[in-house]
Amino acid sequence: EIVLTQSPGTLSLSPGERATLSCRASQYVSGNYLAWYQQKPGQAPRLLIYATSNRAAGIPGRFSGSGSGTDFTLTISGLEPEDFAVYYCQQYGHSPRFTFGGGTKVEIK
Amino acid sequence: QVQLQESGPGLVKPSDTLSLTCTVFGDSIGSFFWTWIRQPPGKGLEWIGYIHSGGSTDSNPSLKSRVIISVDTSKNQFSLRLNSVTAADTAVYYCARELAIGGYRFDPWGQGTLVTVSS
Repeated sequence: EIVLTQSPGTLSLSPGERATLSCRASQYVSGNYLAWYQQKPGQAPRLLIYATSNRAAGIPGRFSGSGSGTDFTLTISGLEPEDFAVYYCQQYGHSPRFTFGGGTKVEIK
Repeated sequence: QVQLQESGPGLVKPSDTLSLTCTVFGDSIGSFFWTWIRQPPGKGLEWIGYIHSGGSTDSNPSLKSRVIISVDTSKNQFSLRLNSVTAADTAVYYCARELAIGGYRFDPWGQGTLVTVSS
């Protein structure tokens, strides 16, 4: 099983600041099939990024993804008030087919 | 625009079977993979399993012996059955569409339904 470790657990930032979230895999992520989701309280996760760096439909340009192999990053270039939420990474692999990271909470400083 | 809606009992007794259905609106259930994911209160996400409209299915090894996922294409629905539940199965259960072309991801998701296991 590929274990995804997200850091930091909590990120305290002010609106307008840059957020850098890390997702590290215990093994190589096949095809760099690494996705990112945003979840707000009481809501389902929303797809932001897939295949490391592809923005999903309707996702603003301030969200970007990068990385390869075992180290991946989600960057939010200038935090908007609606961006304060929990972010999860997810990888496609084998047995199990998918695993998620433990999440990073981005909170208002 | 594809939308998904979970339905089923919100309370299940220990050792009983949890049964949920996901109805797909706005598109045919055919030609895609459909997935169940759960999230215990205050915790992270866990992939439960998927089914293809053609009937092929797979599930998380940690749950495999207790999970049955089925599809009813005539109703545009797929379902989850989880046997022998315990308090550890208390979670919000989400259904989602798995997309593979260009990179494996889940989009869209249903709103989720909380299932509590308690006597």
